[in-house]
Amino acid sequence: AQKVTQAQTEISVVEKEDVTLDCVYETRDTTYYLFWYKQPPSGELVFLIRRNSFDEQNEISGRYSWNFQKSTSSFNFTITASQVVDSAVYFCAAGDSNYQLIWGAGTKLIIKP
Amino acid sequence: EAGVAQSPRYKIIEKRQSVAFWCNPISGHATLYWYQQILGQGPKLLIQFQNNGVVDDSQLPKDRFSAERLKGVDSTLKIQPAKLEDSAVYLCASSSTPPSTDTQYFGPGTRLTVL
Repeated sequence: AQKVTQAQTEISVVEKEDVTLDCVYETRDTTYYLFWYKQPPSGELVFLIRRNSFDEQNEISGRYSWNFQKSTSSFNFTITASQVVDSAVYFCAAGDSNYQLIWGAGTKLIIKP
Repeated sequence: EAGVAQSPRYKIIEKRQSVAFWCNPISGHATLYWYQQILGQGPKLLIQFQNNGVVDDSQLPKDRFSAERLKGVDSTLKIQPAKLEDSAVYLCASSSTPPSTDTQYFGPGTRLTVL
C-alpha cells in the first residue's frame, strides 16, 4: 500500500452513540492486507482486526463492525453503542507485497459520559 | 501466551546521553520490528529483523541509532548520542511472518524524554 488516509483527526460523541471511523487506502497491488489498531492512553497498540483484499466479507464482532469496500478503497470501522472505555486513538494500516506496513495518522476518539 | 515485553517503560535522559531499550517478542515469532512514534503521529518503522538478520533499516538514523538481535530472539535498540527530537515512544512488535501476511503484535512501548 502506498498511502493510508484517516481524514478524521478527532471525533467526540456522547456515550451510547454509534460512531464510524473512516479509512481510505491507496495501493497498486492486487493482494494487500488491512488492519485496525487501537491505542488507549496507556500507549500500547492493540490489534483489532485484519482483512485480506481477497476476502470482501464484512464482519461484526460484538459492538465492533468493519465495512470493507474495494470499489471505494475504504475500510471503515464502526462502534455501536459506544462506551467511555472506547476512548483511544484508532489507527488504520495496510500491508502490501513489499512487506511494508503503511500507517494512517490516526483518529482520536473521545467518548463523553 | 505472553505478549511482547519491553523495558524500561519510561526513560528520561539529557541530550547527548546514551540510552538502550530492550524487547522480547512473542515466543516463536521470527520477525521483530522497532517503531518510533512521535506524539500525534502514526508509528514509523525504524528497523525490521527476520530472525537475526536485518530486512529493512532504511529509516533508521544510523549515525546515532543501532539495533541488534543476536540470537534471533530478543533485541536491543540504542541511541547514542540522543537529540531532543528523539523524544518519542519506541514500540517493539513481532509477527510470525513479514507484515503484509501476518499480524503484528505490539509491546507496551518505552516513552523516551530527552531534555
